Amino acid sequence: KNEVEQSPQNLTAQEGEFITINCSYSVGISALHWLQQHPGGGIVSLFMLSSGKKKHGRLIATINIQEKHSSLHITASHPRDSAVYICAVRSGETSGSRLTFGEGTQLTVNP
Amino acid sequence: NAGVTQTPKFRILKIGQSMTLQCTQDMNHNYMYWYRQDPGMGLKLIYYSVGAGITDKGEVPNGYNVSRSTTEDFPLRLELAAPSQTSVYFCASSPGTRGYTFGSGTRLTVV
Repeated sequence: KNEVEQSPQNLTAQEGEFITINCSYSVGISALHWLQQHPGGGIVSLFMLSSGKKKHGRLIATINIQEKHSSLHITASHPRDSAVYICAVRSGETSGSRLTFGEGTQLTVNP
Repeated sequence: NAGVTQTPKFRILKIGQSMTLQCTQDMNHNYMYWYRQDPGMGLKLIYYSVGAGITDKGEVPNGYNVSRSTTEDFPLRLELAAPSQTSVYFCASSPGTRGYTFGSGTRLTVV
């Protein structure tokens, strides 16, 4: 079993729909990251969370430390949101701040 | 600022050849990382560095070597390339407790 599990693996939505991507992890963490990888491969950091909730534009990320679970929400989805969304956890300050990654969720938003 | 710069973007190697993937960052980050991304898999850590002169193995170090002579540069060396090293390679940097900046990736094919 992977230390970081994402669901769903693939998600297709219509433009305007509300989207949720889930991430569960099995280790103690110091922070959780949500990343976006566009076709063409570049990876961009969206959020870093250690508690609560963060919002940036139409993106919202939440984390429940007790339940070891995080969600990424996209409101009013748009075709330009089509990308792979990756959850990654940092498991300790003394571990070189390394990340452990989920396998990613491929999101396709159709017009 | 350029962020994290990786070169080359694409490369085809023959089995047994060697090459160096270059990674440079201009943000004065202490932490640098090399990851590989295989289709359908999460990114896996190859090597990381917590500062100039200090490197350590990640999850999948076999067949690779690194050096960190300066804060800016963290080259990854492949000796005796094998087909199993066909992958997309990402370099990343971090100040340690905040977000990560990724390079644009190097797509390597070993034939």
